[in-house]
Amino acid sequence: AQKVTQAQTEISVVEKEDVTLDCVYETRDTTYYLFWYKQPPSGELVFLIRRNSFDEQNEISGRYSWNFQKSTSSFNFTITASQVVDSAVYFCALSESYTGANSKLTFGKGITLSVRP
Amino acid sequence: SAVISQKPSRDICQRGTSLTIQCQVDSQVTMMFWYRQQPGQSLTLIATANQGSEATYESGFVIDKFPISRPNLTFSTLTVSNMSPEDSSIYLCSVVPLNGNTGELFFGEGSRLTVL
Repeated sequence: AQKVTQAQTEISVVEKEDVTLDCVYETRDTTYYLFWYKQPPSGELVFLIRRNSFDEQNEISGRYSWNFQKSTSSFNFTITASQVVDSAVYFCALSESYTGANSKLTFGKGITLSVRP
Repeated sequence: SAVISQKPSRDICQRGTSLTIQCQVDSQVTMMFWYRQQPGQSLTLIATANQGSEATYESGFVIDKFPISRPNLTFSTLTVSNMSPEDSSIYLCSVVPLNGNTGELFFGEGSRLTVL
């Protein structure tokens, strides 16, 4: 069975601080996909990134970066120079595939990030 | 990409009644999923909506409580039957586009139900 653990429940930082959101996953599959979603107060889920199990390269997109380490089954997300607009709940998720029936997601419990001015 | 419209966006319902939520996509999709997000909780998959056949339910969810239809490649409904306050949640439709290759699963904005 798949499992995603986000041990941090709430994080509060001051604007411009860097913050890292942790994600640890469990799966027996050799091929799998990891995701991060953002859920702002308005409620919609915003896709941030997908990473497959064969690509361990770190990725940077603007102020966002992701560190994928298979050895520790972790897929951590760092926001650099945080902004108030980053305040949201962030979910890490796992799937066996990104097409077909196995594209269904197993979500972590989410991390509530509050960025104070 | 896919634009998903869910209706209603929110509703307040009485205990014992049923409510049907609609999910309409602006393009054909292969997979449609229904998730539930209880207050302050994560998202849990209810079922996979299969076109032209019965939905595939996850453990803990049954067809009598959450009947699902999917008549075509762009539309699905989820009914929450005989509602109780414990059914107060956000219900989200998620899709995989027919021509999707980015790995992005698209989510609707959700239907927020409050059961009194």
